[in-house]
Amino acid sequence: DVKVTQSSRYLVKRTGEKVFLECVQDMDHENMFWYRQDPGLGLRLIYFSYDVKMKEKGDIPEGYSVSREKKERFSLILESASTNQTSMYLCASSLDYSSNQPQHFGDGTRLSIL
Amino acid sequence: AQKVTQAQTEISVVEKEDVTLDCVYETRDTTYYLFWYKQPPSGELVFLIRRNSFDEQNEISGRYSWNFQKSTSSFNFTITASQVVDSAVYFCALSEGGGGADGLTFGKGTHLIIQP
Repeated sequence: DVKVTQSSRYLVKRTGEKVFLECVQDMDHENMFWYRQDPGLGLRLIYFSYDVKMKEKGDIPEGYSVSREKKERFSLILESASTNQTSMYLCASSLDYSSNQPQHFGDGTRLSIL
Repeated sequence: AQKVTQAQTEISVVEKEDVTLDCVYETRDTTYYLFWYKQPPSGELVFLIRRNSFDEQNEISGRYSWNFQKSTSSFNFTITASQVVDSAVYFCALSEGGGGADGLTFGKGTHLIIQP
């Protein structure tokens, strides 16, 4: 089974802090994704990566950046956290482009910015 | 631009009833993928099914069945003889072109409540 692990289940930070959310997958997947989930809005794509050191903006990249230094790890960075970034963050991975395999999700990190 | 609409925000039924969750999508691509995911109270998203745009066959998996109709741009999900464990938020999602590399566009989800 694919395992996508997010480092924290719950996280509380303060406005203006630099926040790192970490995600690791153990199945040698090429593609990794970050989404945020908000009530009434569903899931929205922030950033994704289809290879090491590669990144692509999703639908709502403003206020975020990402890092993919190793294939198995994809980090989401809030450069200067703001209260409107309080949300549930979900990481996902999928095998590669050509196989069209579905995305597998981690358990999520519930982030609160005070 | 692609869009997924799940018009039912919340559905509540009594156990053993059948229930259908609606999903309508919009896309300009001729090649696309549709997905259903389940999110139980514990929070993780569980993959249920993937369908590509060239395969309109309905699919049945146990108590679950899916009805894909390109003519109405719909991909509906039916649970037969519902059980309390089916209580969850269900998301329909769309991916244009590749199903794995591209990000998914999700609907807003339908909260399904199965009462004992």
